[in-house]
Amino acid sequence: EVQLVQSGAEVKKSGESLKISCKGSGYSFTTYWIGWVRQMPGKGLEWMGFIYPGDSDTRFSPSFQGQVTISVDKSISTAYLQWSSLKPSDTAMYYCARRMVQGVIDYWGQGTLVTVSS
Amino acid sequence: QSVLTQPPSASGTPGQRVTISCSGSSSNIGSNDVYWYQRLPGTAPKLLIYRNNQRPSGVPDRFSGSKSGTSASLAIGGLRSEDEADYYCAAWDDSLSGHVVFGGGTQLTVL
Repeated sequence: EVQLVQSGAEVKKSGESLKISCKGSGYSFTTYWIGWVRQMPGKGLEWMGFIYPGDSDTRFSPSFQGQVTISVDKSISTAYLQWSSLKPSDTAMYYCARRMVQGVIDYWGQGTLVTVSS
Repeated sequence: QSVLTQPPSASGTPGQRVTISCSGSSSNIGSNDVYWYQRLPGTAPKLLIYRNNQRPSGVPDRFSGSKSGTSASLAIGGLRSEDEADYYCAAWDDSLSGHVVFGGGTQLTVL
């Protein structure tokens, strides 16, 4: 069974750094793109980017390029989403998601709530 | 402002058939497959329809998808109270080196 298990909720202050994680299991982690989707309070889903664990090739949405870092440690089947300096506008639920072969998303993590105060 | 356009809300009574639309453009729905996701309150999204009209195993055949040109639709037949959720369409967009685009979501209420 494919599972994506994310790290727990985070409460941070503006300007702090943060790295959240997503561990994949039940499939060949290195052969599927994995990425992140943001949902701000009361808003819809926004795709942030994908990474291919096999070679760390990364693709970003134009809206998030340069704003976050997506990385992976394939030795432990884990993907990461990282901020160097959080802003209150980063407050959102972040979902990790697996990209199906030649498609969009087939599996989702349970979500990580990030709250950033000023 | 989402790239794909969905109605913000829809409603129906138990047993009814409800349709949710999703409108895009030639660079997304017009040239790529459409996907639908269901997000029940307090849970992560779940894949409901892939490649326009395919259902993953475990998804009831009350849910069906279709696509024509630059628009797509999700139909839910025999509406049940447990169908009350947010529904999102998505597609790959070929512009800007390729990226995923979502609809703004449709909140379905079962009256």
